[in-house]
Amino acid sequence: DAKTTQPPSMDCAEGRAANLPCNHSTISGNEYVYWYRQIHSQGPQYIIHGLKNNETNEMASLIITEDRKSSTLILPHATLRDTAVYYCIVRVANSGNTPLVFGKGTRLSVIA
Amino acid sequence: DSGVTQTPKHLITATGQRVTLRCSPRSGDLSVYWYQQSLDQGLQFLIQYYNGEERAKGNILERFSAQQFPDLHSELNLSSLELGDSALYFCASSDRNTIYFGEGSWLTVV
Repeated sequence: DAKTTQPPSMDCAEGRAANLPCNHSTISGNEYVYWYRQIHSQGPQYIIHGLKNNETNEMASLIITEDRKSSTLILPHATLRDTAVYYCIVRVANSGNTPLVFGKGTRLSVIA
Repeated sequence: DSGVTQTPKHLITATGQRVTLRCSPRSGDLSVYWYQQSLDQGLQFLIQYYNGEERAKGNILERFSAQQFPDLHSELNLSSLELGDSALYFCASSDRNTIYFGEGSWLTVV
């Protein structure tokens, strides 16, 4: 079973920041928080991952609370092409051998 | 482009038949994963191989099997197909940290 909780859906105005929350209250010390997204029927796309520090890349920022029980994915300037289902997943990293377990994710709709 | 290649992209077959889906992982990746996504369903993990050996098994039916070859490409074999097997089948490969997905193979069973 998925170890994260996400809202089923969210809307965001185009050009505004999209903030997607995720709760992972049972996360273990060696588990990372990963974010993926799936644009309609395409392969899931890796966005970002982190352990405890905030992370930023060209796609998004990941903010993890100090107790690591929740996190927020931030898309700084959402576009229509960011409309997708976003998945927050906890997983042991640095092993290369642990499958991703997907929950239902958050369906983000970016509105013009 | 994730670097993971899947063929065929689309496949239509009849009930009772057998099909093989093929996956080429990213260069250097030793792990290969297979996932199934039925219409309006979530992504279900089926099976994982690491350097030719089965490493983890998920919700894979006995009618389904997979293997990973010495050149690290993988095949998913689906037999005695039923209408309910119609789905998107994704292959993924990973380095030490991150799993990358292919674009999937659409299977339609009629």
